[in-house]
Amino acid sequence: NAGVTQTPKFQVLKTGQSMTLQCAQDMNHEYMSWYRQDPGMGLRLIHYSVGAGITDQGEVPNGYNVSRSTTEDFPLRLLSAAPSQTSVYFCASRGERTFNEKLFFGSGTQLSVL
Amino acid sequence: GESVGLHLPTLSVQEGDNSIINCAYSNSASDYFIWYKQESGKGPQFIIDIRSNMDKRQGQRVTVLLNKTVKHLSLQIAATQPGDSAVYFCAETQAPGGGNKLTFGTGTQLKVEL
Repeated sequence: NAGVTQTPKFQVLKTGQSMTLQCAQDMNHEYMSWYRQDPGMGLRLIHYSVGAGITDQGEVPNGYNVSRSTTEDFPLRLLSAAPSQTSVYFCASRGERTFNEKLFFGSGTQLSVL
Repeated sequence: GESVGLHLPTLSVQEGDNSIINCAYSNSASDYFIWYKQESGKGPQFIIDIRSNMDKRQGQRVTVLLNKTVKHLSLQIAATQPGDSAVYFCAETQAPGGGNKLTFGTGTQLKVEL
């Protein structure tokens, strides 16, 4: 049981480049989300999904797109990378919707935009 | 305790001592709280949670205390071990279902000295 798997672990981009951060979970979780973590700050929610075909914005959605075509996968797309998007990105998933808010996190993707 | 800014608050304790990590939350409507532990280079890991109808909950070597009057949360770790060295985050939301949008604190660095 792999849990939440994120790829790549590290990525360097030039300003204006696009890329997709991959996230997959094998726990049949309905809820998946993306957070970014910056130095000295807590995790901030970018986008989340409560099931296949359903996505919604979090606290800092600008510059990021998501889609949820399957239960297992929740990719995060940067259409035109900016230095302000240099951060560590975490994907997280959760099973029960109502009575268990426990999130399972991936190991993160460290992104640098030059 | 936790604060906004570039530098993480740091708590240094001797191995075997008890640790107390504090967190102040701002949303009076929050009724579900979680503590996460994040080791270097890894994603956050669930430690313990508490609902607002409780003021104390115990786990294995950890206790969470909730004071709704002053909107304060604390995590107590008994007999602190080197493996407890990590950054600890509190998170708040409105449950049930509010876990779609967890709000994280900025974190406290716990250093265990041998």
